[in-house]
Amino acid sequence: AQTVTQSQPEMSVQEAETVTLSCTYDTSENNYYLFWYKQPPSRQMILVIRQEAYKQQNATENRFSVNFQKAAKSFSLKISDSQLGDTAMYFCAFMKRRGGADGLTFGKGTHLIIQP
Amino acid sequence: EPEVTQTPSHQVTQMGQEVILRCVPISNHLYFYWYRQILGQKVEFLVSFYNNEISEKSEIFDDQFSVERPDGSNFTLKIRSTKLEDSAMYFCASSIAGANTGELFFGEGSRLTVL
Repeated sequence: AQTVTQSQPEMSVQEAETVTLSCTYDTSENNYYLFWYKQPPSRQMILVIRQEAYKQQNATENRFSVNFQKAAKSFSLKISDSQLGDTAMYFCAFMKRRGGADGLTFGKGTHLIIQP
Repeated sequence: EPEVTQTPSHQVTQMGQEVILRCVPISNHLYFYWYRQILGQKVEFLVSFYNNEISEKSEIFDDQFSVERPDGSNFTLKIRSTKLEDSAMYFCASSIAGANTGELFFGEGSRLTVL
């Protein structure tokens, strides 16, 4: 079974600062996806960024980037130039990549607060 | 932009009652999921559904739970006899290609309160 650990229950930074959210995971799988999902106060979870484990290059999406360390089983999210709209719960998630309908395994989440 | 819609947004029920939560996935998606989030805890996988049958289910998804896609558009989660511990936010999700792409689209959730 997979486990995903997010060790920071809550973080708070000033607008425009850079913030890094940590995530570690445990799996015996070699092929998998890792994700960061954002859950704003409106409750709908939105995919922020995705990383395929076989790709060494770290994924980036505008102000969002990851630091994927496969050997260390670490997958942190960096948000640059943080904005008030980034305030949300952030969930790290894991999915096995073997085809079919495997579910996501989520971490407990980090509540990120961007202060004006 | 197409999205996953869920109804009701909030339901209050008495323990022992049956509850049906409804979801309309994105129209060209093939894989459907239910997750739940007990207040203050992490989001947990319940079940995945593909080609009109359950593909995978977690330990949480016991005989009290069932899923159905009755009419080709709705995807429902039924809890036969609710317990207090079923109180949670239930999220529906859909995906065009399941684990082949890894991207799930979530609804806003249905909050279930069991009294």
